[in-house]
Amino acid sequence: EADIYQTPRYLVIGTGKKITLECSQTMGHDKMYWYQQDPGMELHLIHYSYGVNSTEKGDLSSESTVSRIRTEHFPLTLESARPSHTSQYLCASSESGTGGKQYFGPGTRLTVT
Amino acid sequence: SQQGEEDPQALSIQEGENATMNCSYKTSINNLQWYRQNSGRGLVHLILIRSNEREKHSGRLRVTLDTSKKSSSLLITASRAADTASYFCATDPGGAQKLVFGQGTRLTINP
Repeated sequence: EADIYQTPRYLVIGTGKKITLECSQTMGHDKMYWYQQDPGMELHLIHYSYGVNSTEKGDLSSESTVSRIRTEHFPLTLESARPSHTSQYLCASSESGTGGKQYFGPGTRLTVT
Repeated sequence: SQQGEEDPQALSIQEGENATMNCSYKTSINNLQWYRQNSGRGLVHLILIRSNEREKHSGRLRVTLDTSKKSSSLLITASRAADTASYFCATDPGGAQKLVFGQGTRLTINP
């Protein structure tokens, strides 16, 4: 069982609200990732971090932003939520030198009305 | 375009039967990984096979890799209802531990 946590698990929020999705891991992994996944579809990488103060945009363009001030914490923020942001957001982490095996959190299902 | 593509997209079999899923990819890889996702949950890592390996086993799972054909297969033997899930292959084409996932195979095991 992976020690990676996401809160909230479910969020329904109105258009225009600012939201922060939390992700924490207790494994000391240096690499962390955010994916977006629509139901029944593949995962798309939207942000990743290779360590503290390191963040990069992923392959799928996203209006969200991330920060990595502490190794264990990698929050994702949407300044102004829109219905097009409705999706499942998955956080993951991995340890260098393990071939890229990733550990996933349970996900946050976001619905913007 | 997708780096990894699974086939079939959906598979429904009876409990006790074997399930085989295939994955094709486009670029050279260091390794290929398989993950399982139960409905509405995060992914769970199943197995990693390196580019210099041809076959790997883990319990009821058997993974093969053919780098000449850029393809891999996942075999689940003696399937159980609890194996019902989506299965994804993932590759790291750039070698920077940024995984690219396929669309997944939705496996249903009927009791």
